[in-house]
Amino acid sequence: EAGVVQSPRYKIIEKKQPVAFWCNPISGHNTLYWYRQNLGQGPELLIRYENEEAVDDSQLPKDRFSAERLKGVDSTLKIQPAELGDSAVYLCASSTGTGDEKLFFGSGTQLSVL
Amino acid sequence: SQQGEEDPQALSIQEGENATMNCSYKTSINNLQWYRQNSGRGLVHLILIRSNEREKHSGRLRVTLDTSKKSSSLLITASRAADTASYFCATPRGGDTDKLIFGTGTRLQVFP
Repeated sequence: EAGVVQSPRYKIIEKKQPVAFWCNPISGHNTLYWYRQNLGQGPELLIRYENEEAVDDSQLPKDRFSAERLKGVDSTLKIQPAELGDSAVYLCASSTGTGDEKLFFGSGTQLSVL
Repeated sequence: SQQGEEDPQALSIQEGENATMNCSYKTSINNLQWYRQNSGRGLVHLILIRSNEREKHSGRLRVTLDTSKKSSSLLITASRAADTASYFCATPRGGDTDKLIFGTGTRLQVFP
């Protein structure tokens, strides 16, 4: 069974440029999460989807961040424009959403904003 | 915001020794999870302990939970160099089991 797939693995951009991250969760997993992890810290939740509905986006900086999960499968997280402080690892995770609370994580996208 | 905090922040031991890391959290929970993260990789689920459990084992892992002290510990016995990683505790925020909040992590280094 394939795990959570994220791309790209690394991204280097200049500030004020846009950037997008893509995530393909485990097949059949209804719940999808985007986390941001700063260096030396634990992951912080940005947004959570139940199928195609964003049920928790309270931590998403909506002035520059947006996300979508079309057809309740793949998801894209976008930053426009990027700022220096956005440099971090962006992690996608999924779970069955059926009461099994275990999360499965992708390898993440490491973003460097110069 | 982070719900839990791990202690110590970093731990260095020799192969064969036991490693103990602790997690404290702030609000009432119905379960607590531990995850491992190898350098440059995503997190991997290790174990989940529910609020009505005091201790749980999985291979060389032993997790305890003290809800009265709002704390948990992860013990890795007979450590190996491959155990080198960061370890995070995670708890549901506000009773929502799908809203998992992670602690700050313990960075474990096991020397061969």
